[in-house]
Amino acid sequence: EDQVTQSPEALRLQEGESSSLNCSYTVSGLRGLFWYRQDPGKGPEFLFTLYSAGEEKEKERLKATLTKKESFLHITAPKPEDSATYLCAVQVWSNDYKLSFGAGTTVTVRA
Amino acid sequence: DAGITQSPRHKVTETGTPVTLRCHQTENHRYMYWYRQDPGHGLRLIHYSYGVKDTDKGEVSDGYSVSRSKTEDFLLTLESATSSQTSVYFCAISESVGDRDEQFFGPGTRLTVL
Repeated sequence: EDQVTQSPEALRLQEGESSSLNCSYTVSGLRGLFWYRQDPGKGPEFLFTLYSAGEEKEKERLKATLTKKESFLHITAPKPEDSATYLCAVQVWSNDYKLSFGAGTTVTVRA
Repeated sequence: DAGITQSPRHKVTETGTPVTLRCHQTENHRYMYWYRQDPGHGLRLIHYSYGVKDTDKGEVSDGYSVSRSKTEDFLLTLESATSSQTSVYFCAISESVGDRDEQFFGPGTRLTVL
């Protein structure tokens, strides 16, 4: 069974204080590792998909990296508007493209 | 937002009543998914569809059925709602280009079963 574990559950940062979120996974045949941002009361917003170990993707203050066992989402010099829950999900090689999600990390950035 | 809408956005119903949630997409995507989101569990797949009249179960399908009679609409039905089905329900679509995949979610439906 695919397992996805995110840590920490919650992260409180001062504005400008960089940090990283972790997503560790145990799957049989990773096809893709997805990161999403979710604001309260809204649907998850797609950020990145990573496909192979060593791959990196960036968007504004966010940078996602992938190894064979885990992915990191680095938040550089965060601002209050980066406060959200960040979700990761794995997709295995199959015909249905379905995702298995971790429970998320809630990030709060104080001004 | 990949042209995904969900209706209703909020619903309160009573135990034992049937409920149908609708997901509508405007971009002719083949794959559509229904997830539920509960505190401490993250998003869990209920059912998915890989074409008109082609559907399959996810990890938490008990008590739910789905139908897809046309590409743009994917319906989730709770035949007899229970309090354990109080949740936020999200629809998603998969957009693939070659071997690359992106998945986009709708705004969600908050369902309360009393």
